[in-house]
Amino acid sequence: SQTIHQWPATLVQPVGSPLSLECTVEGTSNPNLYWYRQAAGRGLQLLFYSVGIGQISSEVPQNLSASRPQDRQFILSSKKLLLSDSGFYLCAWRGGGSTLDTQYFGPGTRLTVL
Amino acid sequence: AQSVAQPEDQVNVAEGNPLTVKCTYSVSGNPYLFWYVQYPNRGLQFLLKYITGDNLVKGSYGFEAEFNKSQTSFHLKKPSALVSDSALYFCAVRDGGGGSQGNLIFGKGTKLSVKP
Repeated sequence: SQTIHQWPATLVQPVGSPLSLECTVEGTSNPNLYWYRQAAGRGLQLLFYSVGIGQISSEVPQNLSASRPQDRQFILSSKKLLLSDSGFYLCAWRGGGSTLDTQYFGPGTRLTVL
Repeated sequence: AQSVAQPEDQVNVAEGNPLTVKCTYSVSGNPYLFWYVQYPNRGLQFLLKYITGDNLVKGSYGFEAEFNKSQTSFHLKKPSALVSDSALYFCAVRDGGGGSQGNLIFGKGTKLSVKP
């Protein structure tokens, strides 16, 4: 079965510091991968998605970047964090076959920028 | 443009009563529709989806949803609510034509509160 991991689970960082959040998927090949941010309140904002290694599409211009160095690894980064980067970051994957069209989410990373 | 609306920020239900969480959508082609649930500080969990076929879709934890094309709705239902159903519920839509890489558009979420 497929499993999606995110780490760290929680993170407190000062303004201006760098960021690296990691997401890995097990049990599937060539998944579509997604990064979302959920600000306080609830709404989900799609930040980046990737259909393959090295292929990144950005949905919202911002202080963040994403990379996909391996088939099942998706990384969210920032060189200098802003207060507005605080939120709950969710990674998701979508595969093919019987799971076609369904996105499955990781446990999330709670980021607080102080 | 694709969009999805959840008109209620919060739904309050007594335990044992039926519950409905509303969702309406707008897509240019045939819709693919999804419901997810989120417990505090957790990721979203997939509940059910409508791609094609029967308008009544059954999912996890006793939930079901009814696809109504004429009303462009996909309301989530459960015959008898449990306190443990209290959570945040998200409706999502994808254009079945495959535009935008098939990305999902999420509603703003509805907080369900089930009281004993």
